[in-house]
Amino acid sequence: DQQVKQNSPSLSVQEGRISILNCDYTNSMFDYFLWYKKYPAEGPTFLISISSIKDKNEDGRFTVFLNKSAKHLSLHIVPSQPGDSAVYFCAARPLTGNQFYFGTGTSLTVIP
Amino acid sequence: DTGVSQNPRHKITKRGQNVTFRCDPISEHNRLYWYRQTLGQGPEFLTYFQNEAQLEKSRLLSDRFSAERPKGSFSTLEIQRTEQGDSAMYLCASSLVGYAYNEQFFGPGTRLTVL
Repeated sequence: DQQVKQNSPSLSVQEGRISILNCDYTNSMFDYFLWYKKYPAEGPTFLISISSIKDKNEDGRFTVFLNKSAKHLSLHIVPSQPGDSAVYFCAARPLTGNQFYFGTGTSLTVIP
Repeated sequence: DTGVSQNPRHKITKRGQNVTFRCDPISEHNRLYWYRQTLGQGPEFLTYFQNEAQLEKSRLLSDRFSAERPKGSFSTLEIQRTEQGDSAMYLCASSLVGYAYNEQFFGPGTRLTVL
């Protein structure tokens, strides 16, 4: 029962271009969404988050968009840099409860 | 080092043995989470503590698994009678209630291999 889905296991992008990572969810009770980045042999690192009361949150090169009606969020990285190469996980938390649900991850490769 | 630390980083054991992992959260964080991650999957929630109280457990946490956080600081996760299916990365995360919607900070994980 995968409530958070990342349907693209991998993505390759040229340096300087935009990277778009997508995430879909099924639970309409989710009210808070996060993106984590993970390098090999390290734990996930928090990147950016968005509350369900917003549809966009921006932090430097990273922007997260939330489309509640479509139950879809995306992470845009502009411009992409080789150091962005990592596995990206989206996660969601319901309005009640403190359990976070993670997607299966998308491996991003930024080609110099 | 002010991050979340986990020990050991790697553990190889034989089926049927017991193993225990330790997590030291960020010192002022009052919430501590345990996750399991298998190959090709995202982290799966196991349990979490607020201070020393274990408030929620996933159905993934069978009766062979037990977690403690005796003084509201470090936590241990014990797996009894390990099975090959327990082979995974076990991640610990901590957060501060009331801050930034509970943003979680993860440790590097303990990789368990059951032979």
